[in-house]
Amino acid sequence: AQSVAQPEDQVNVAEGNPLTVKCTYSVSGNPYLFWYVQYPNRGLQFLLKYITGDNLVKGSYGFEAEFNKSQTSFHLKKPSALVSDSALYFCAVNAGNMLTFGGGTRLMVKP
Amino acid sequence: EPEVTQTPSHQVTQMGQEVILRCVPISNHLYFYWYRQILGQKVEFLVSFYNNEISEKSEIFDDQFSVERPDGSNFTLKIRSTKLEDSAMYFCASSRRLVGETQYFGPGTRLLVL
Repeated sequence: AQSVAQPEDQVNVAEGNPLTVKCTYSVSGNPYLFWYVQYPNRGLQFLLKYITGDNLVKGSYGFEAEFNKSQTSFHLKKPSALVSDSALYFCAVNAGNMLTFGGGTRLMVKP
Repeated sequence: EPEVTQTPSHQVTQMGQEVILRCVPISNHLYFYWYRQILGQKVEFLVSFYNNEISEKSEIFDDQFSVERPDGSNFTLKIRSTKLEDSAMYFCASSRRLVGETQYFGPGTRLLVL
């Protein structure tokens, strides 16, 4: 069975600094990996995904993620954080019909 | 940009009552899903639906749950006899294809069972 771990419940970063939100996964077969963001009282918004190809994936709002097969990781990154990036971030792996989500990481960007 | 929509945004019901949560997936999508998120917990898969039948379901999706696509646009989740532990945010999602395809989520229905 597939699983996703987000080891940090919360990440705090100052505006303008780079941010990283960590994700590790376990899946048999090819990993199809996703990042979603959830703002308060909103649904899950798709940020980016890795299917195949380049290990560095670029997505919405300046976010990118680095796929590392040997470390089974898919960390979300942004070179310069904005206060408006503050939200709940979910990593997910797709196997078969379903997405399996990590527990989520709350990103707090302070001015 | 097309979006998944869900109604109602909030629903309060008494334990034992039936509820129907409604979703309108993106129009050219073929695969439909329901997920739930109990407060403070991770998002969990309930069921996937394709070609008018369930293609996969989780252990959570027991006999009290059912899904239906009653017409060409709506996709519903019915809970026959709600329990306190059914209180959660329920998300509908849709995708064009299956494996590796992005699932687009609706804003959710917050269900509170009293």
